[in-house]
Order: sequence, then C-alpha cells, then structure tokens
Amino acid sequence: DGGITQSPKYLFRKEGQNVTLSCEQNLNHDAMYWYRQDPGQGLRLIYYSQIVNDFQKGDIAEGYSVSREKKESFPLTVTSAQKNPTAFYLCASSRSFGSFYGYTFGSGTRLTVV
Amino acid sequence: LAKTTQPISMDSYEGQEVNITCSHNNIATNDYITWYQQFPSQGPRFIIQGYKTKVTNEVASLFIPADRKSSTLSLPRVSLSDTAVYYCLVGDMGSGGGADGLTFGKGTHLIIQP
Repeated sequence: DGGITQSPKYLFRKEGQNVTLSCEQNLNHDAMYWYRQDPGQGLRLIYYSQIVNDFQKGDIAEGYSVSREKKESFPLTVTSAQKNPTAFYLCASSRSFGSFYGYTFGSGTRLTVV
Repeated sequence: LAKTTQPISMDSYEGQEVNITCSHNNIATNDYITWYQQFPSQGPRFIIQGYKTKVTNEVASLFIPADRKSSTLSLPRVSLSDTAVYYCLVGDMGSGGGADGLTFGKGTHLIIQP
C-alpha cells in the first residue's frame, strides 16, 4: 500500500543536540511538507518542497533545516538553535504543490527534549 | 491570503447531524475548500473538497453558498468515533508558487456525547 512513513514515532533529545526526523513516501508525489503541532494548537508550516532539490521556508523555519535529494524523502533536522523543539511533527505529501491536490499525512513523530 | 475562521469547539450527541461552518471572506477565484479530520496523535485525514454549491461523499457533505465566503461541513448521524478536530483549508493549485492555502488554523474540536 502506498503511504507516508515517519520515523521514529517517539524521539528524545538532549538540549544542544541536533536530531533528524525521517519522512519517506511511496506515492510518487512531487510536493512534501513539514508541520509542527503543539498541544491544543493547529498545524504550523515549517518547510515545504514543491519538487526534488527545491525547498522553501514556511511560517516557522527558524531552528530547522531540510533536504530534498530524492523524490521519496524529505528529512527534517531540528537543530540546537530551535529553542522549544518539544512538539508533534507531521510530514505530508501531495501529488503537486498546493492544497487543491489534497494532503496525505504520516502518523507523526513526537519529539521531547529531556 | 484567504484566512479561515472556525468555531473553536462544538458539542453534539450520537445520531445527530452536525454542521461546522468555516468563514473565508477573502477567498480567491481559483481557491478550493478542503476539510480534514484529525484524531489525537495522528495526522489529519482528507474528508471532502469543493468549489461551489454542494458536494457529497460517503462520509460528509459540503455546502458552499454562491458568494463562497463561507462553507459548511455536514456530518450526518454522528457517532462517538466522530469526536475529532476538523480543519478547513482554502487554497488553489499552487500555481503562484507561494504557501497560500497551506495553513491549518486551530480547527474545530467536535465532541460527540452518548
């Protein structure tokens, strides 16, 4: 079955460390997105990629970095510069860029700073 | 940017019809309206999408008036499992290259009681 796989499901990070969240899709979608969700809040856009080797900052990109070297993969690195990284991170993809095409979401990674 | 406004929360009972309204006064000609459902610790799931008038699928109906400044998601005969957060998104095919339509607000927390 086609879908998006995020790993790990739970991740613990010590302060000052960088961590990378994995996102892989086998839907042959061109566009991919990373969102952050805090308790009781909506989803805020971190980064998005319309096509391979291209990505753009979203609303809250500071302290995060991404790469899109392969169509299937869009990893997110949470750097030590992110002051409050504890949150639920969601990766999504769509056939082409834009909400018209409908997003398919992964099951998320819950990151906790210890 | 077509911002959306939804009620923060709603209550209803099993077997009732539930209508959730989203306001989007600045909707553009090319924008579509898409609704998503999110359960705790999961990614949002696509429910329905429309441009104007009425759209119906096996899960819900979407009513859009002629001026398209609002839309109403209708869930028939809800059950306890419909308790979730519902998001309204407004956006186009992304031809402009920007991030319009990628923003999820806080959504509407729907609570279904026995």
